[in-house]
Amino acid sequence: GQNIDQPTEMTATEGAIVQINCTYQTSGFNGLFWYQQHAGEAPTFLSYNVLDGLEEKGRFSSFLSRSKGYSYLLLKELQMKDSASYLCAYMDSNYQLIWGAGTKLIIKP
Amino acid sequence: GAVVSQHPSRVICKSGTSVKIECRSLDFQATTMFWYRQFPKQSLMLMATSNEGSKATYEQGVEKDKFLINHASLTLSTLTVTSAHPEDSSFYICSARDPRFDTAQYFGPGTRLTVL
Repeated sequence: GQNIDQPTEMTATEGAIVQINCTYQTSGFNGLFWYQQHAGEAPTFLSYNVLDGLEEKGRFSSFLSRSKGYSYLLLKELQMKDSASYLCAYMDSNYQLIWGAGTKLIIKP
Repeated sequence: GAVVSQHPSRVICKSGTSVKIECRSLDFQATTMFWYRQFPKQSLMLMATSNEGSKATYEQGVEKDKFLINHASLTLSTLTVTSAHPEDSSFYICSARDPRFDTAQYFGPGTRLTVL
């Protein structure tokens, strides 16, 4: 089945660090994606993990543990422009993306 | 990353009319394109998978006669909302898979449809 979960909303302070978790359950797996979506806009690609471990890309890092069905997106040195929804999605055995509901991240000064 | 365009970005139409939305891959040939719909404050919902040269595969609950999809070339897929009604008002987003990278999927900027 399609089972993927992430928190609905998180709040963090400008300049701080925030970790957004995503858990999933699937029998077929071809990688885990993170996308950023600002209000009224289409999602933009942030990261892709297919092997276990941490992928670092500037202020954003993404981690994957396939055995635990777990991923997180780590955002450092938060800026106000980071206020957005963050969507995790896994790719199933048919190469179709299965989407989480998204985590709305609110950054406060 | 690869570039996907969508046109129009915003459309307002009267109830009962049809609206066509175009999705183009600008710097790669996309054998597969996806059409999503997103209602306010909700997650993306996959409507259909469009494969070049063949019929689209629709998700359960999506009316194929109402949402016509054509993928006539490797760079263009179109979604036509036929006999649109106010409940069809939504944000429609296409994405395309870049075959050079098996798993990469890139989104167009989306089309905001408002049916009066």
